[in-house]
Amino acid sequence: NAGVTQTPKFRILKIGQSMTLQCTQDMNHNYMYWYRQDPGMGLKLIYYSVGAGITDKGEVPNGYNVSRSTTEDFPLRLELAAPSQTSVYFCASSQTGNTEKLFFGSGTQLSVL
Amino acid sequence: DAKTTQPPSMDCAEGRAANLPCNHSTISGNEYVYWYRQIHSQGPQYIIHGLKNNETNEMASLIITEDRKSSTLILPHATLRDTAVYYCIVRVAGKLVFGAGTILRVKS
Repeated sequence: NAGVTQTPKFRILKIGQSMTLQCTQDMNHNYMYWYRQDPGMGLKLIYYSVGAGITDKGEVPNGYNVSRSTTEDFPLRLELAAPSQTSVYFCASSQTGNTEKLFFGSGTQLSVL
Repeated sequence: DAKTTQPPSMDCAEGRAANLPCNHSTISGNEYVYWYRQIHSQGPQYIIHGLKNNETNEMASLIITEDRKSSTLILPHATLRDTAVYYCIVRVAGKLVFGAGTILRVKS
């Protein structure tokens, strides 16, 4: 069972570079989420999607973009990387928006230097 | 942001019950309480959720007070592998908001 798969696991960026964090799920879940986690802190919601073609902002969307062209994939784009975006990024999915059960990927550790 | 309050850390002896408290005094009548845990920077893992009644599954039990202002997650026989950060969560604007959680250290 693959579940939620994130790539890459680690990445180092220079200030101003751009990159896309990939997330794919094979559970046919409608809802997908991107969180970031800074050291010693809880997770903060960046963006979420309730289905293909629909996305919405979370708590901390600035500096990020997302798209949802298919049910399976929910990539997160950083256009101009900044040191403040150094964090661990988690993608998650759930069957519905009211469900208690989010399934998380293993995370992408990003450093911006 | 978080609407829950948890102690920052707790210790528990291996084999004993771990009781993790959570205050959620502003919870509304139809909001669930969710518990997740995060082991060593892995992605969080769902444990259990509840509304009013006590709940039990293969991982844990959840005890919710009658006024619903607090709850306790119980790991009945803690093992070293239960060492993790435990998050007690209610929804904010419809979305799960993770606070800092409780670091549970299970010691042999």
